Amino acid sequence: NAGVMQNPRHLVRRRGQEARLRCSPMKGHSHVYWYRQLPEEGLKFMVYLQKENIIDESGMPKERFSAEFPKEGPSILRIQQVVRGDSAAYFCASSPPIRVDTQYFGPGTRLTVL
Amino acid sequence: SQELEQSPQSLIVQEGKNLTINCTSSKTLYGLYWYKQKYGEGLIFLMMLQKGGEEKSHEKITAKLDEKKQQSSLHITASQPSHAGIYLCGADLGGNNRLAFGKGNQVVVIP
Repeated sequence: NAGVMQNPRHLVRRRGQEARLRCSPMKGHSHVYWYRQLPEEGLKFMVYLQKENIIDESGMPKERFSAEFPKEGPSILRIQQVVRGDSAAYFCASSPPIRVDTQYFGPGTRLTVL
Repeated sequence: SQELEQSPQSLIVQEGKNLTINCTSSKTLYGLYWYKQKYGEGLIFLMMLQKGGEEKSHEKITAKLDEKKQQSSLHITASQPSHAGIYLCGADLGGNNRLAFGKGNQVVVIP
């Protein structure tokens, strides 16, 4: 059973460009979470999604950030018009649908904005 | 302010020695998770604790959650270089699946 997959593992963007981060949950998991790890700040919750639904986006910046988890395909975290402060490691986690408990994390995408 | 405080921030131990790290919250924890992260990599799930007074062990690692469900400790017996890394505690503070994390305990094991 493959774990949580994220791609790309490393992403470099120039200021003003768009960044798209993908997350494929573990097989059988329909709950996806995105977290951001900024240097010296620790891991922070961003958004919680189920298939085709955003359950909780209280941790998402109000502008430029969006997330989706379509019926088919991976979950996408999209950052428009990136700025240097967006440079961070973005982690996706997934959990099973019946018992919403342990969240299993992917390897992360490290975004660098030049 | 940080919702979860981890101590000590960093720890250096000789291989073979025991070590204990702690995670403290001012709020009741609905679930307490311990993860391990190596630099530049993802989080590896270690253990989850839910009930007050609960204790779980896996190989040489034991985690406990106090009766009040506000503090957890993670103990490593006879540490090895493979135990080196950053240990993160995460907690569901509101029963809503949003995990809050501490800043981590950095563990270095000297051969």
